[in-house]
Amino acid sequence: DAMVIQNPRYQVTQFGKPVTLSCSQTLNHNVMYWYQQKSSQAPKLLFHYYDKDFNNEADTPDNFQSRRPNTSFCFLDIRSPGLGDAAMYLCATSRDLGGRQETQYFGPGTRLLVL
Amino acid sequence: GNSVTQMEGPVTLSEEAFLTINCTYTATGYPSLFWYVQYPGEGLQLLLKATKADDKGSNKGFEATYRKETTSFHLEKGSVQVSDSAVYFCALSDNSGAGSYQLTFGKGTKLSVIP
Repeated sequence: DAMVIQNPRYQVTQFGKPVTLSCSQTLNHNVMYWYQQKSSQAPKLLFHYYDKDFNNEADTPDNFQSRRPNTSFCFLDIRSPGLGDAAMYLCATSRDLGGRQETQYFGPGTRLLVL
Repeated sequence: GNSVTQMEGPVTLSEEAFLTINCTYTATGYPSLFWYVQYPGEGLQLLLKATKADDKGSNKGFEATYRKETTSFHLEKGSVQVSDSAVYFCALSDNSGAGSYQLTFGKGTKLSVIP
């Protein structure tokens, strides 16, 4: 089945130690997103890639970076995780057809714990 | 700007009870509307969607009708099961033009179904 895959499902890191979360998709969608979801809150968009074009949300901290080496993979890098960065990180994909976005499909998420 | 307002939870129902979760929205143009479901510790799963006025989305016994006149997209199910216990998010996608990639979420409604 076509899907969005996130690894690992759980990640533990130390305060200030860089960490990378990964996302891959078999849907061949041209848009990929990273969301941060804290407990009992709605997901918050951090940034998205439209093909290779990176689009950062205005309020996303500089501590968060992303890479998309090819259509299938996208990475979230947290350069110096703080305790406040502990959250669920969700990857999503969609297909954009000439400016009309189709449904976003989400992966299972990676829960990040910062010690 | 766009916004989604959904009924506050938590909602607790007995098995086989009727479910309604209210959702209203504010948007420019003609948004697409979605209900996503999130089971504990998991990512978001698309439950149903509607892309234009009077469309009815349905899946797994859940239904929601896109009502432009009342700007609403209420989620209903005739007979809930324990396995429906989850958090439900109403969301909209603004299709007003290229670059409108952000999903606007409601705050989520936690549903608990007891045997």
